[in-house]
Amino acid sequence: QKEVEQNSGPLSVPEGAIASLNCTYSDRGSQSFFWYRQYSGKSPELIMFIYSNGDKEDGRFTAQLNKASQYVSLLIRDSQPSDSATYLCAVINSGGGADGLTFGKGTHLIIQP
Amino acid sequence: EAGVTQFPSHSVIEKGQTVTLRCDPISGHDNLYWYRRVMGKEIKFLLHFVKESKQDESGMPNNRFLAERTGGTYSTLKVQPAELEDSGVYFCASSQGTPHEKLFFGSGTQLSVL
Repeated sequence: QKEVEQNSGPLSVPEGAIASLNCTYSDRGSQSFFWYRQYSGKSPELIMFIYSNGDKEDGRFTAQLNKASQYVSLLIRDSQPSDSATYLCAVINSGGGADGLTFGKGTHLIIQP
Repeated sequence: EAGVTQFPSHSVIEKGQTVTLRCDPISGHDNLYWYRRVMGKEIKFLLHFVKESKQDESGMPNNRFLAERTGGTYSTLKVQPAELEDSGVYFCASSQGTPHEKLFFGSGTQLSVL
């Protein structure tokens, strides 16, 4: 079974610091990777997607992908209390079968004022 | 512009009953997905519509689940008869064009089967 693993947390980070969220995946052929943010009781919201090895930056967010090591990470610079949420890593698996996203369980991030 | 709308937001039913969940995607979105999150587990893919056609239903748990998308607009997901293990949050998501780069989720239906 193709899986996505995340540390469930909670991950506690002081305001203004860098929050680092990590994710590993089992399907070596995966090509597409996504980070979602979900506030309690709300819908998942897409933050970033990344397809190529290396870094991709968007504002305070940076996604990092290393296909050889099968991990993808999300860095949040200058963390704000409003960044407190659950962050979901999701992958499109390769080959046939389900064409939906395969999600991890999510990491609960707490930004301490 | 309205987002993805799901209703009811909550549903509490007894084992053996039938429940129908509805999803209204963003207008013009051809792709419609259903996902489910069981407590303590990850969000899991159920199925994918492109317009009115089922593109992939490999994630549907069993034949007690029936999804339809009449006319390629709104979609319903019916569970009949409901079992205890069907409890969870059912999410709908829609997109247009490249399916996952601009995928919008609804706020979900919390289903509790007692």
